[in-house]
Amino acid sequence: KQEVTQIPAALSVPEGENLVLNCSFTDSAIYNLQWFRQDPGKGLTSLLLIQSSQREQTSGRLNASLDKSSGRSTLYIAASQPGDSATYLCAVGKFLGTSGSRLTFGEGTQLTVNP
Amino acid sequence: NAGVMQNPRHLVRRRGQEARLRCSPMKGHSHVYWYRQLPEEGLKFMVYLQKENIIDESGMPKERFSAEFPKEGPSILRIQQVVRGDSAAYFCASSPLISQPQHFGDGTRLSIL
Repeated sequence: KQEVTQIPAALSVPEGENLVLNCSFTDSAIYNLQWFRQDPGKGLTSLLLIQSSQREQTSGRLNASLDKSSGRSTLYIAASQPGDSATYLCAVGKFLGTSGSRLTFGEGTQLTVNP
Repeated sequence: NAGVMQNPRHLVRRRGQEARLRCSPMKGHSHVYWYRQLPEEGLKFMVYLQKENIIDESGMPKERFSAEFPKEGPSILRIQQVVRGDSAAYFCASSPLISQPQHFGDGTRLSIL
C-alpha cells in the first residue's frame, strides 16, 4: 500500500526566501507524481506533473524533482511571495489500466509567506 | 475552456437522507475521479470512471455509496442514508489521458445534521 509523507507539515518564511518542500513515498512503482496547491475552501490547482521517466519539471519560479529509486520528490519555490501562501500537496500516481491513474496524496505542507 | 464544474458547492442533509453530488468534467476529458477529504485528513481516492463504466471503485465504501458517469450528462456520486461521518469535502477530477495531469473542481462540502 502506497504511503505518501510530506515534511514539514507547516512552514513560515519571510517574503523573498527560497524554500524546499519535501515529499516521500514508500512504493517506487509509480506512474507519475503531481504537485498541487490548495487554497482554503477551494479546490486543487495543478502545479507540476512529473512522469516516472523524468527527473524534474519547471514552471516559472517552481521546480519539482523526482528520485524514484529513493522514493523522494522536492518542490522548490524561488523568491517566495505572500501570494504563494497555501497548502501544497504531493500526489503519487499509480497506473490503473485503461489509461487511468489513481492519486495517493500526502497530507500537505501549509506554507505561509510573510510580507 | 471551463474547468471541472461541481455542484452544489455546499450541501446540507439530515441523517438518513440521500446526497447527490454532480461533476461535469472539462471538455474533452473522458476520465473522471472522485476523492474525499475528511476533516483534518488528506484526500483519499474513491472511484475512477470512464463514460458508462466504473473502472476502479476500490476506495469507495461498499455500502450506501455509488457513482455513475452516463453517456450524456455529468458524473454523479450518490450517498444513500447519510450519516454524520459522511461530512467531508468531495472533489471531482478529470483528465484526457493518463499522461496528462488531473484537474480538480472546487469540491462539494457536505454537512450532515
